[in-house]
This record gives sequence, C-alpha cells and structure tokens, in this order.
Amino acid sequence: DIQMTQSPSNVSASVGDRVTITCRASQNINYWLAWYQQKPGEAPKLLIYKASSLESGVPSRFSGSGSGTEFTLTISSLQPDDFATYYCQQYNNYWTFGQGTKVEIK
Amino acid sequence: QLQLQESGPGLVRPSETLSLTCSVSGGSISTKGFYWGWVRQPPGKGLEWIGTIHFTGTTYFKLSLDSRVTISADTSKSQFFLKLSSVTAADTAVYYCARHAATLPFDPWGQGTLVTVSS
Repeated sequence: DIQMTQSPSNVSASVGDRVTITCRASQNINYWLAWYQQKPGEAPKLLIYKASSLESGVPSRFSGSGSGTEFTLTISSLQPDDFATYYCQQYNNYWTFGQGTKVEIK
Repeated sequence: QLQLQESGPGLVRPSETLSLTCSVSGGSISTKGFYWGWVRQPPGKGLEWIGTIHFTGTTYFKLSLDSRVTISADTSKSQFFLKLSSVTAADTAVYYCARHAATLPFDPWGQGTLVTVSS
C-alpha cells in the first residue's frame, strides 16, 4: 500500500495568512494527487486534482504543486470559510488518503 | 447533475454484516471508464478508502479489509452495494459513496450515512 503522510496535523492561522500543507507519498505517484476540504458534518469537497489543477468553482487562492512524492497545498490568503480539515489522496495505485490537516482559527 | 445517496441501517450488532446501498441519479453506473467507491470516516478521525467497483464489475479492496468486504452493483437500478462482515465497534463510521476514475479523484460524493456497531 502507498502511505500518504500530511504535515502538519494542525495549523493555527489568522484570516489573511498564507497557509501551506505538505503531503508526502511513500513511493512515486507521479502527479496523481488530489486535495479535499472537509467541514464538520459534510462530505469532502474536491479542491485540486492532478496535483495542481483547480476544480471548477474553487477560489483561486487555493493552489497545489508537486510531483513524485512531495506535494503542497497553499491557501494564499486564508478566509473565514477556509477553516476546515484538508486531506490529500493519491490515485496512482489504488486509493489512499492522508491523515488530514485541521486549519483552526488563531 | 450526478448525485449519490447512501442508505442502510444506522445500527448493526457486533459480528453481523453491515449492508449499505448507494443510489446514483443523473447518470449511469455503467458509464464507461468510471469507478464507484466506498470511503468511511470513524467519528473524529480521517478518511479511509474501503473498496471500489469498476463499471466492468471488477472490484478492488483495501488490503486490510479484503476478507470482510463485498461490493456489487445493480446497473438496472443504478445502485451499488457494500457489505462488510463480522463488524466490530471499530467499524463504526460515516460511510460515503463516491464516483471516481483512473485519472480522476473522488467526486461527487454522497452525503454520508452514520453506521454504529453496538449491541
């Protein structure tokens, strides 16, 4: 199984801050990586696919980068609606999620 | 617009079999190239892929759950199903169904359904 490791597990940030979350794969997954946002009581929402492609309707303050085994999700200017938990997921070889990163209000 | 909806018992006794249905509307589960998957999330924890059925009927399962999971589909009803046998309290979770593909991640998702394993 491919393991996905996110860091940090928690982020405390303020509105307007730049936030970066890292996701590492235990083996090469090329660019087959997605990022999701999940709020309490809701299903995950797709933000980024193929490592850096922005899903339709997702604000441009979200961006993804990376390939191979190292990936990042960046929120350029944190907004009140962005406080949530974020998951990475590989879909190169079967399907595996990272453990999640909770973005909290500082 | 494609929509998915999970349904099934909210309470299952330990050692019994958990059975869920995902009903798909606005599209067909026979559409070429797509996979239909199950993901779960224990209370307060992260997301875990359980298994997937391809439009051809081929199934894929998480290794650690392989011996307990069955996924099937009824294309005439545009539904696919999850069965998880010999459940324990550790199987208590919100269960989601979602569409995906070889080059596409999970999207859209159903709203999720909470299944509690308890006597």
